[in-house]
Amino acid sequence: ETGVTQSPTHLIKTRGQQVTLRCSSQSGHNTVSWYQQALGQGPQFIFQYYREEENGRGNFPPRFSGLQFPNYSSELNVNALELDDSALYLCASSLRVGRVYEQYFGPGTRLTVT
Amino acid sequence: AQSVTQLDSQVPVFEEAPVELRCNYSSSVSVYLFWYVQYPNQGLQLLLKYLSGSTLVKGINGFEAEFNKSQTSFHLRKPSVHISDTAEYFCAVSEGSGGGADGLTFGKGTHLIIQP
Repeated sequence: ETGVTQSPTHLIKTRGQQVTLRCSSQSGHNTVSWYQQALGQGPQFIFQYYREEENGRGNFPPRFSGLQFPNYSSELNVNALELDDSALYLCASSLRVGRVYEQYFGPGTRLTVT
Repeated sequence: AQSVTQLDSQVPVFEEAPVELRCNYSSSVSVYLFWYVQYPNQGLQLLLKYLSGSTLVKGINGFEAEFNKSQTSFHLRKPSVHISDTAEYFCAVSEGSGGGADGLTFGKGTHLIIQP
């Protein structure tokens, strides 16, 4: 059983550019969530996808968008990058156990915006 | 909306000593509570969770936590720490579907530093 994987590991972009981050869910998981973790902070929920549809969203602007594919892998797209978008982006795939989604996190993608 | 407060940003402890990492939450409804650990340059690993039932929850690596509804707390404890426990610890809360469409709300983290 493979865990959650993310690519790339690190990325450097310039303000105003667009970026795509990728995530492969753990086998058997059909739900994926994305989080932004700024330096020295806890992760913040961006959005969640379930069966290829956005299922919930945190307090992030529309320039943060996503996709989920039939194999449950996912992308996070960020347009018009700002310096404050520099952060660790974490993907978590979920397995529903009873009433609760147990979230399994990937190692993250470190994005630096200059 | 729920929120999580981790009262200590950094906790230094000597090896083999006990430790408690404090977490308080606010929510207007029933919650599910989690503790995650993050080692340097890695993602988050689930230590333990409280969903319902017994207020004392045991997790991996010898950690346990106690849910106290009246004090809205979920403090993490370990009776004897090791150098390998040095990491960032995050408390998280979820209402409703327990980390589903509403996601998890995290605290800012507590850096546990184990001193030899």
